[in-house]
Amino acid sequence: AQSVTQLDSQVPVFEEAPVELRCNYSSSVSVYLFWYVQYPNQGLQLLLKYLSGSTLVKGINGFEAEFNKSQTSFHLRKPSVHISDTAEYFCAVSPGGTYKYIFGTGTRLKVLA
Amino acid sequence: GAGVSQSPSNKVTEKGKDVELRCDPISGHTALYWYRQRLGQGLEFLIYFQGNSAPDKSGLPSDRFSAERTGESVSTLTIQRTQQEDSAVYLCASSSWRSGSSYEQYFGPGTRLTVT
Repeated sequence: AQSVTQLDSQVPVFEEAPVELRCNYSSSVSVYLFWYVQYPNQGLQLLLKYLSGSTLVKGINGFEAEFNKSQTSFHLRKPSVHISDTAEYFCAVSPGGTYKYIFGTGTRLKVLA
Repeated sequence: GAGVSQSPSNKVTEKGKDVELRCDPISGHTALYWYRQRLGQGLEFLIYFQGNSAPDKSGLPSDRFSAERTGESVSTLTIQRTQQEDSAVYLCASSSWRSGSSYEQYFGPGTRLTVT
């Protein structure tokens, strides 16, 4: 069965520091990969996605992620965070490009002044 | 419309009452999803509609939950005889699985349901 693991439930980081939010998945088939952000009291918004091609994907707000097939990971990174990046981040996998999306449990990023 | 809309934004109901939540997907999106998000938790898949195919109801937690969708338009999620554990934010999302589309899900703002 497919699954998505976000190893860190909470990540505190100081403003202007780099951050990495980890996402690992298990699937016996190829996958599409997504990162979503949820600001307080809002719905989810797509940050970036990997469908095929270059394994380094750039998204909105300066975020990027790298697909590593051998390690089945899709970690999210930002070189310098802002207070406004404080939010919940969800990794999602769509196995074999099916309609199914499997979401991780989320990582709460808290940016400290 | 420009995005996925959901109504109501907030709903407070008494235990045992029925509630109906509405989702308007993005026009032309064939796929529609309902998720439940309990406080501080991730997204729990409830049900999926794709065009005129039979819906995937595998995530519905009990027979008190049901959902309908007319064609590729509005969907309603109904919870009968609500319980306190039903308190959560209910998120709707739509996507297009047509060739060349982006496959991402577009989420609505959610309906916050509180059962007292």
